[in-house]
Amino acid sequence: KNQVEQSPQSLIILEGKNCTLQCNYTVSPFSNLRWYKQDTGRGPVSLTIMTFSENTKSNGRYTATLDADTKQSSLHITASQLSDSASYICVVIVLSGGSYIPTFGRGTSLIVHP
Amino acid sequence: KAGVTQTPRYLIKTRGQQVTLSCSPISGHRSVSWYQQTPGQGLQFLFEYFSETQRNKGNFPGRFSGRQFSNSRSEMNVSTLELGDSALYLCASSLASGPFYEQYFGPGTRLTVT
Repeated sequence: KNQVEQSPQSLIILEGKNCTLQCNYTVSPFSNLRWYKQDTGRGPVSLTIMTFSENTKSNGRYTATLDADTKQSSLHITASQLSDSASYICVVIVLSGGSYIPTFGRGTSLIVHP
Repeated sequence: KAGVTQTPRYLIKTRGQQVTLSCSPISGHRSVSWYQQTPGQGLQFLFEYFSETQRNKGNFPGRFSGRQFSNSRSEMNVSTLELGDSALYLCASSLASGPFYEQYFGPGTRLTVT
């Protein structure tokens, strides 16, 4: 079982609508949790970085929330645009054996239709 | 400021051969991390180099190795290639090593092993 689970696997929405992507993790201890956006054929781009003490972090139309007690995070996209079509990846930075190891979810593929 | 560059962008190799991939970080960045991305496993962390020293390492066999030069440029080597090594190899640079530094990804090298 993957230690970082994302849902849904894929999502189709209409332009202008809001959506929420979920990330549940079982790894610990963790240093911070990140959300990335990856366009097809390109490298990931960081959206937010959150430590365990932060509940919410925004970056424009992207808002990430974190509940460290339940080990759940969500990424909310407001007023979606066609350019939001991409894969969204949740990453938990885990402290393991003195090293910081990024542990990735499989991503949610978002398609925004006009 | 120029972004992270990776060369070559595409590569086709035969099983049993070895391959070397190159990554040039953003100017001023001293940490370089390498990742493997496949449809089946998603993104996985390979290793991180900072000041020419390997700082963190993921769970990959010894066939995967890397190094960093004094100008922060990094190379990754895979020996005795297997079909399962076919993947997109991404590198990311950051100002320094540590779990809270923003990472900037390159476009990746697409490796196909036949």
